[in-house]
Amino acid sequence: GENVEQHPSTLSVQEGDSAVIKCTYSDSASNYFPWYKQELGKRPQLIIDIRSNVGEKKDQRIAVTLNKTAKHFSLHITETQPEDSAVYFCAASVSSNTGKLIFGQGTTLQVKP
Amino acid sequence: DVKVTQSSRYLVKRTGEKVFLECVQDMDHENMFWYRQDPGLGLRLIYFSYDVKMKEKGDIPEGYSVSREKKERFSLILESASTNQTSMYLCASSFGGTGTDTQYFGPGTRLTVL
Repeated sequence: GENVEQHPSTLSVQEGDSAVIKCTYSDSASNYFPWYKQELGKRPQLIIDIRSNVGEKKDQRIAVTLNKTAKHFSLHITETQPEDSAVYFCAASVSSNTGKLIFGQGTTLQVKP
Repeated sequence: DVKVTQSSRYLVKRTGEKVFLECVQDMDHENMFWYRQDPGLGLRLIYFSYDVKMKEKGDIPEGYSVSREKKERFSLILESASTNQTSMYLCASSFGGTGTDTQYFGPGTRLTVL
């Protein structure tokens, strides 16, 4: 069945450093790849997404890249700040076009001041 | 702003009880979803609904059922709660139609089954 693998499961960086989280997906028909951030005790919220007709998308300090051939996509956070500390989830749409997403296992990012 | 609300933030139930978790969205979204969140396992889809009275099983439907009688409301039912259903339950909704719509999440219900 459809699957999304996310790595690493935990990531610790110093404030100001960059952080990269990687995901691979199995369904070659997936065409939508959102990233969600979940702060402690709060609901997941969309921070950036990318569609399959685009290779890269940037929004201030965050960027996402997509390699459809290799079936992987990555989240890049530059100049990390303590408020970036959270759990990050990647997801991929399924081919049935129902709006269903398959989520990765999550990455706990800790930014040390 | 999209608003997705869930009936309880915390719930404690006994083994064997029937449990109802309610979710309401106010943006006329077609799609609604129920997920279970456990550490290290991410968000796993239990059931989703793409229209009133329509439902489809997700990846872990066993032990759960759902009801969608009105467009804005999606209920998750644990017919006979068990301790392995202790978890965080998240509801989400999306506009629907394109397969590439943002999902908006509720605040979650932390259910403990004793």
